[in-house]
Amino acid sequence: SQELEQSPQSLIVQEGKNLTINCTSSKTLYGLYWYKQKYGEGLIFLMMLQKGGEEKSHEKITAKLDEKKQQSSLHITASQPSHAGIYLCGADMSTGNQFYFGTGTSLTVIP
Amino acid sequence: GAGVSQSPSNKVTEKGKDVELRCDPISGHTALYWYRQSLGQGLEFLIYFQGNSAPDKSGLPSDRFSAERTGGSVSTLTIQRTQQEDSAVYLCASSLGGMGTQYFGPGTRLLVL
Repeated sequence: SQELEQSPQSLIVQEGKNLTINCTSSKTLYGLYWYKQKYGEGLIFLMMLQKGGEEKSHEKITAKLDEKKQQSSLHITASQPSHAGIYLCGADMSTGNQFYFGTGTSLTVIP
Repeated sequence: GAGVSQSPSNKVTEKGKDVELRCDPISGHTALYWYRQSLGQGLEFLIYFQGNSAPDKSGLPSDRFSAERTGGSVSTLTIQRTQQEDSAVYLCASSLGGMGTQYFGPGTRLLVL
């Protein structure tokens, strides 16, 4: 079973459109991380959320962690081709010394 | 400063051969992680080193996989008697403390023929 579920699996949007990616866990998240992976490259850290209700923004990307700390959303405003890639959520669920990643969301932005 | 580096960047090997993958973490980072990313699949956690503590090996897929970290810095992931299903990108990450923000290397692409 997948510890972290991401939706949607893939997304194709027109440049300038807004979009949201979701990450859901069945367990309490002690730290929720968002990463971006460009095709064929390593992961780039975007943001980290720890407190329920926390929201962080960087440029046109906003991430939120819900009050129950079991779901996070990543919102991109006015998407650009440079936003294209695979977005991954990752979490420490303190079930052991392991770190879990979601299955990823592939984002394509059409110019 | 320098980020996480991994070598080799690409490795092609024959089934049954042993391979060693190397990871140089960011200087000062006490935690080091290995992941495997297979084509079309998510990131699979393999092993985690924190300081001088014994690593949690429960994520290693089989006893053909082993990892060590010398002097609390460089780590080597060894795959013995490679199989075709071992073909994947192997990613290494390091963090300042245990389960902190992880910074990833570019990965080693392993192809087992």
